[in-house]
Amino acid sequence: SQTIHQWPATLVQPVGSPLSLECTVEGTSNPNLYWYRQAAGRGLQLLFYSIGIGQISSEVPQNLSASRPQDRQFILSSKKLLLSDSGFYLCAWSASDRNEQFFGPGTRLTVL
Amino acid sequence: AQSVTQPDIHITVSEGASLELRCNYSYGATPYLFWYVQSPGQGLQLLLKYFSGDTLVQGIKGFEAEFKRSQSSFNLRKPSVHWSDAAEYFCAVGALNNDMRFGAGTRLTVKP
Repeated sequence: SQTIHQWPATLVQPVGSPLSLECTVEGTSNPNLYWYRQAAGRGLQLLFYSIGIGQISSEVPQNLSASRPQDRQFILSSKKLLLSDSGFYLCAWSASDRNEQFFGPGTRLTVL
Repeated sequence: AQSVTQPDIHITVSEGASLELRCNYSYGATPYLFWYVQSPGQGLQLLLKYFSGDTLVQGIKGFEAEFKRSQSSFNLRKPSVHWSDAAEYFCAVGALNNDMRFGAGTRLTVKP
């Protein structure tokens, strides 16, 4: 069966510091991968999605970036964090030929 | 692009009572529709989905949803709510290109 992992589970970072969140999927090949952000009390905002290695689409311009160095690895990065980057970050995957998405456990990021 | 509206931000029901969470979507073609549930600090879990066929779909945990094209709705129901159902519920609509849009969510509180 397929599983999706995210780490770290929680992270506290000072403003201006870099960020790297990792997401990996097991048990499937060539998945579509997604990064979402969920601010407190709000819905999900799609940040990036990828249909293959090195193929990244950005939904919202901001100081975050994403990379997909391997088929089942998706990384969310920032060079300098802002206070507004605080939130709950969720990674998801879907099969390339299906629409339903499956979510990881999330990373709680607090920027101080 | 597709969009989703969940009119109720917060709903409170008594344990054992019936539940209906509303979801309205906007999309020019036949949509793919989903309901997800999120417990505090956790990722999203897929409850059920509608792709085609029977407009009444059954999901996990005793939930069901009915697709009504004429009303552009996909409401989630459960005949008898349990205290463990307290969570945030998200409706989502997907398009053919795997683009999925989420509603803002409905928080469910269950009174003993």
